[in-house]
Amino acid sequence: LAKTTQPISMDSYEGQEVNITCSHNNIATNDYITWYQQFPSQGPRFIIQGYKTKVTNEVASLFIPADRKSSTLSLPRVSLSDTAVYYCLVGETGNQGGKLIFGQGTELSVKP
Amino acid sequence: DSGVTQTPKHLITATGQRVTLRCSPRSGDLSVYWYQQSLDQGLQFLIHYYNGEERAKGNILERFSAQQFPDLHSELNLSSLELGDSALYFCASSAGGDRVYGYTFGSGTRLTVV
Repeated sequence: LAKTTQPISMDSYEGQEVNITCSHNNIATNDYITWYQQFPSQGPRFIIQGYKTKVTNEVASLFIPADRKSSTLSLPRVSLSDTAVYYCLVGETGNQGGKLIFGQGTELSVKP
Repeated sequence: DSGVTQTPKHLITATGQRVTLRCSPRSGDLSVYWYQQSLDQGLQFLIHYYNGEERAKGNILERFSAQQFPDLHSELNLSSLELGDSALYFCASSAGGDRVYGYTFGSGTRLTVV
């Protein structure tokens, strides 16, 4: 399973764009890249998932370069409620014995 | 409400005891995953079931066991409990089929062993 590396913590201010980069040098051909958000004492919440290039939804964008060895989660105009831990995961999900392995995550702190 | 239901929300028990945590997956999801989250260990994958069959095992202790029933709900059994088993236990579910999907997590069961 591909290991991921992301910054332990990041600080930002309200209204700014936040980019969190994740390294996954050993990503396999069948692996997808998935990002989750977790608030204290709550279950992680799925944010976005991608395989290559760019994916955008109503919450975030995910940029994946051609070599797929890294990915960047982009949160536009963050607010105080975006303060949370963000996890980058790489793995083959689904029903063939898939298991998403969570790393330490990035603790994002948004200040007023 | 994520659609994944975990009961109970809180559980306090003594060392040496046995407890059962229950998870009902989101409607239509065939896969159930169990995770343990403690302060010093982060989110640890325990086990994955698909349509009643075990598909993958993570760092699950021999004192722990799980199963998925025909109605697709799952139970995680923790026995001979130790203080170090105190943690949040999350269940997640995902849709079936060949495509990959993100997981939907429940709100967790907070286990306190005293």
